[in-house]
Amino acid sequence: EVQLVESGGGLVQPGDSLRLSCAASGFIFSRYEMNWVRQPPGKGLEWISYISSSGNTMYYADSVKGRFTISRDNAKNSVYLQINSLRAEDTAVYYCARDQGGNWDFDSWGQGTLLTVSS
Amino acid sequence: QSVLTQPPSVSGAPGQRVTISCTGSSSNIGAGHDVHWYQQRPGTAPKLVIYGNSNRPSGVPDRFSGSKSGTSASLAITGLQAEDEADYYCQSYDRRLSVSFFGGGTKLTVL
Repeated sequence: EVQLVESGGGLVQPGDSLRLSCAASGFIFSRYEMNWVRQPPGKGLEWISYISSSGNTMYYADSVKGRFTISRDNAKNSVYLQINSLRAEDTAVYYCARDQGGNWDFDSWGQGTLLTVSS
Repeated sequence: QSVLTQPPSVSGAPGQRVTISCTGSSSNIGAGHDVHWYQQRPGTAPKLVIYGNSNRPSGVPDRFSGSKSGTSASLAITGLQAEDEADYYCQSYDRRLSVSFFGGGTKLTVL
């Protein structure tokens, strides 16, 4: 069974840094492209970052470019999201999602981890 | 304003058919990029219900169907059931911005 489990969220202060993790199991992780998607409370989905299966190619939404860094460790079956200079508007549930076929269609999602940025 | 435009809400009675539209532009849907649809029930993660414009993942009922024409796409749900009540999001790729986008989402209410 495919499983994605996010961790690392919590309550942080503006300006802090944080790393979110997503542990994958049940499939050959190194063969799949991965993404992070976030959802502010009561609002819609926002795609924020992509990483290729090898980890050599990354893309970011304009809203996070320069502050967020996606990475992966295929030996540990994990993908990460480093977030710097946190802002109140980064408050959201963060999901990791698997791209099933390289066409930006996400067939598996984690349960999400809530990040709250507040002083 | 989202790159992909969806109606904020739709509704229908049990057993009826509803459609949800997703309007894009010549740089995303109109450029030939596929549209995918997700269902999100309250408090849960999104679930892929249509991929590649009209394909259903295993386990998704055939009451769900998708189509695409020009710069728009639609999700249709027939034989509405109470369990279909959820938020629905379309998604595509925008070649001008070189990233993926979700529509703003549509809340489906089963009356």
